[in-house]
Amino acid sequence: QVQLQESGPGLVKPSETLSLTCTVSGGSISSYYWSWIRQPPGKGLEWIGYIYYSGSTNYNPSLKSRVTISVDTSKNQFSLKLSSVTAADTAVYYCARVPIVVVTAIIPSGAFDIWGQGTMVTVSS
Amino acid sequence: DIQMTQSPSSLSASVGDRVTITCQASQDISNYLNWYQQKPGKAPKLLIYDASNLETGVPSRFSGSGSGTDFTFTISSLQPEDIATYYCQQYDNLPPGGITFGQGTRLEIK
Repeated sequence: QVQLQESGPGLVKPSETLSLTCTVSGGSISSYYWSWIRQPPGKGLEWIGYIYYSGSTNYNPSLKSRVTISVDTSKNQFSLKLSSVTAADTAVYYCARVPIVVVTAIIPSGAFDIWGQGTMVTVSS
Repeated sequence: DIQMTQSPSSLSASVGDRVTITCQASQDISNYLNWYQQKPGKAPKLLIYDASNLETGVPSRFSGSGSGTDFTFTISSLQPEDIATYYCQQYDNLPPGGITFGQGTRLEIK
């Protein structure tokens, strides 16, 4: 079955760029949207953004100026970059799959049906 | 942005009880509403999609209803393994297409 695994540094310095990668195994990255979601310690969930395997993206407006999500179909991976981080960006970061719906166009279903286990990223000097 | 108001924030119930959680959207979201279960230290798990559809493999004691702005999530007979935090999540299929989560409901056994 499809599995997702996040990887990247667990500690990032303030003002630097957080970089994470999600590797998709057991299935193809094609024909799905892929998303990043985060959860600060003891708090709720925040959607960061998603990307279609073709490369089109949509970001949370509150993070849009600092976020870049990219995809590498040859490696079955997608990645997150979050720039100019502060302590407020300390969180568990999850990657997740979003199935598509075909209406008049291909759109994300809006549901996160498969999740990675999450990776804790701490922003501290 | 569409805001989601979830209540209660915490809930204590006994095994076998019927448990209900509500989620209210700040504007009409049709049926674009999902429910997740998150156990401590684990990733969330999709339970209900599009307001009332049970995800494959999820026990039938879980159900969802509602449309527009008001939604309900129900566990018909609480089991010990249902102890978790539950989140609603809306998605906007019109461009630019945002996603927001409710604040969560922490469910405990009485």
